[in-house]
Amino acid sequence: GENVEQHPSTLSVQEGDSAVIKCTYSDSASNYFPWYKQELGKGPQLIIDIRSNVGEKKDQRIAVTLNKTAKHFSLHITETQPEDSAVYFCAADLLIIQGAQKLVFGQGTRLTINP
Amino acid sequence: DSGVTQTPKHLITATGQRVTLRCSPRSGDLSVYWYQQSLDQGLQFLIQYYNGEERAKGNILERFSAQQFPDLHSELNLSSLELGDSALYFCASSGGGGAEAFFGQGTRLTVV
Repeated sequence: GENVEQHPSTLSVQEGDSAVIKCTYSDSASNYFPWYKQELGKGPQLIIDIRSNVGEKKDQRIAVTLNKTAKHFSLHITETQPEDSAVYFCAADLLIIQGAQKLVFGQGTRLTINP
Repeated sequence: DSGVTQTPKHLITATGQRVTLRCSPRSGDLSVYWYQQSLDQGLQFLIQYYNGEERAKGNILERFSAQQFPDLHSELNLSSLELGDSALYFCASSGGGGAEAFFGQGTRLTVV
């Protein structure tokens, strides 16, 4: 089955610096790779996603890159701000049959932005 | 606000008891997923329903069951509760077939 490894488990950066979180997945059939941000006491919030026919996607200060050959994808946050502090999860989607999908999540990265 | 509604937000119950968690998906979404998040743990997939039918199963215990009703809301039933079942339970919904999944705010279950 699909396995998603996420690194690092914790990351501390200075405000204004960049943060990078990396994930690898095992199933080459995965085609959809979302990233979620989870703040304390809240549910995971979808912040950006990428599909297998695209190598990179940007949304303001956030970007995601995908290397299907190497089976890894990364989240890049530039010009970090205190409100970026949260736990970030990557995931890989495994489409089982039409209408049936399973999101397999990495273990999460606790990002702390130091003022 | 993701549009996914979960009730209750908090639940405290004793070991051996049974509880029901409820999820209302976003308008128009046919798929509902249930995930369990234990303390400092990742999100573990439990089960998926699509338009009323079970479609995918993860590491869901036999003491747990779920269903999706004709109005597309879903319920997760947890029975014979143990201390180790204490966790956050999240529901997510999507249009199905590789569409984006949006999570609710979760139900925090505490078994004492």
